[in-house]
Amino acid sequence: KAGVTQTPRYLIKTRGQQVTLSCSPISGHRSVSWYQQTPGQGLQFLFEYFSETQRNKGNFPGRFSGRQFSNSRSEMNVSTLELGDSALYLCASRDQGRMDGYTFGSGTRLTVV
Amino acid sequence: GESVGLHLPTLSVQEGDNSIINCAYSNSASDYFIWYKQESGKGPQFIIDIRSNMDKRQGQRVTVLLNKTVKHLSLQIAATQPGDSAVYFCAENIPGTYKYIFGTGTRLKVLA
Repeated sequence: KAGVTQTPRYLIKTRGQQVTLSCSPISGHRSVSWYQQTPGQGLQFLFEYFSETQRNKGNFPGRFSGRQFSNSRSEMNVSTLELGDSALYLCASRDQGRMDGYTFGSGTRLTVV
Repeated sequence: GESVGLHLPTLSVQEGDNSIINCAYSNSASDYFIWYKQESGKGPQFIIDIRSNMDKRQGQRVTVLLNKTVKHLSLQIAATQPGDSAVYFCAENIPGTYKYIFGTGTRLKVLA
């Protein structure tokens, strides 16, 4: 079956703009999580969605938001972009019925200039 | 390819040797742990997991050891191959949540 699909793969934005990233989970997976990965901070948890509801949120400012649709696809949005938002944004899905790890997508590389 | 981390600790091993990658986790109540492998330009890939009621688990060429007393995990890779070159992360599940905390990662370089 298809893996976790993230679009776009690469994005360049200017400071102050906003951006929306998309994630399609593995078919049947209803839990979707987002992580930010940077060289300095490693993998940092952003938020997790299940059945269109945010279940957990990491320690990121309100400029970072997300949502999940009824088909489990998820989007995350970053408003008023800052240079420090440049990172690899990873989406991961999991089977809610299993105490299992995530399956990650390949990520969206966001560069803010 | 994309750089996962510029300041990661690096382990260099000869092809065919065994590798041991270590990780200290943060929460003594964590009850589930995973090792991930991340190759350049890709997302992390699940390797092996272990629950807190175990101290050892073996997979194909990989073994994870858990020492709860000192909050330490290790990943052993037998007969390391060039394809094992990647960054390896441990992750701990925070009990009662669906959140994982990832370690900073170790870069494994396999020398031919």
